[in-house]
Amino acid sequence: GESVGLHLPTLSVQEGDNSIINCAYSNSASDYFIWYKQESGKGPQFIIDIRSNMDKRQGQRVTVLLNKTVKHLSLQIAATQPGDSAVYFCAKGGSQGNLIFGKGTKLSVKP
Amino acid sequence: DTEVTQTPKHLVMGMTNKKSLKCEQHMGHRAMYWYKQKAKKPPELMFVYSYEKLSINESVPSRFSPECPNSSLLNLHLHALQPEDSALYLCASSQDEVQETQYFGPGTRLLVL
Repeated sequence: GESVGLHLPTLSVQEGDNSIINCAYSNSASDYFIWYKQESGKGPQFIIDIRSNMDKRQGQRVTVLLNKTVKHLSLQIAATQPGDSAVYFCAKGGSQGNLIFGKGTKLSVKP
Repeated sequence: DTEVTQTPKHLVMGMTNKKSLKCEQHMGHRAMYWYKQKAKKPPELMFVYSYEKLSINESVPSRFSPECPNSSLLNLHLHALQPEDSALYLCASSQDEVQETQYFGPGTRLLVL
């Protein structure tokens, strides 16, 4: 079946460093991949998405990389700030138009 | 504007109560979703409405009853819930159902006693 896995449940970085959060996925039928940020007590907030016809997409301080060969998705956050502390979920589009979420990585930023 | 609103923010109910969760979006989106999220877990899909019709029901118990009165509103009616139903209930919407960005509301924190 379709699934999205996670490499690390927690990640701790120093303020100002770059963060890299990874996901792996099974079943390459999906055309769409997305990253969400969820702060404590809030709903998931859209960060960035990418379609399968691209390898890389950049936003403000964030970059998503898609490696279809090894079925790997990553989120890079440049110059990580305390406000970036949250749980980050990767997700991919399912065959029914739903989203299939990974388990989440909790990012902690040390001042 | 990418705002999805949900009311109430918090809800405490007994197992014999009937309550409703409400969700609203004014982005012209035609797909709306209900998710359930337990602590330290990812959101789990419950229902999908597409063009005001129920298109996906992820084998959710009948004590949860969704309703889509119009393209901007989505309700979740709750009846005879169990303590294990306590969770964060999230509403989301997207332009349509086909692999588009889903925008989430802040959620309703539900506690069943």
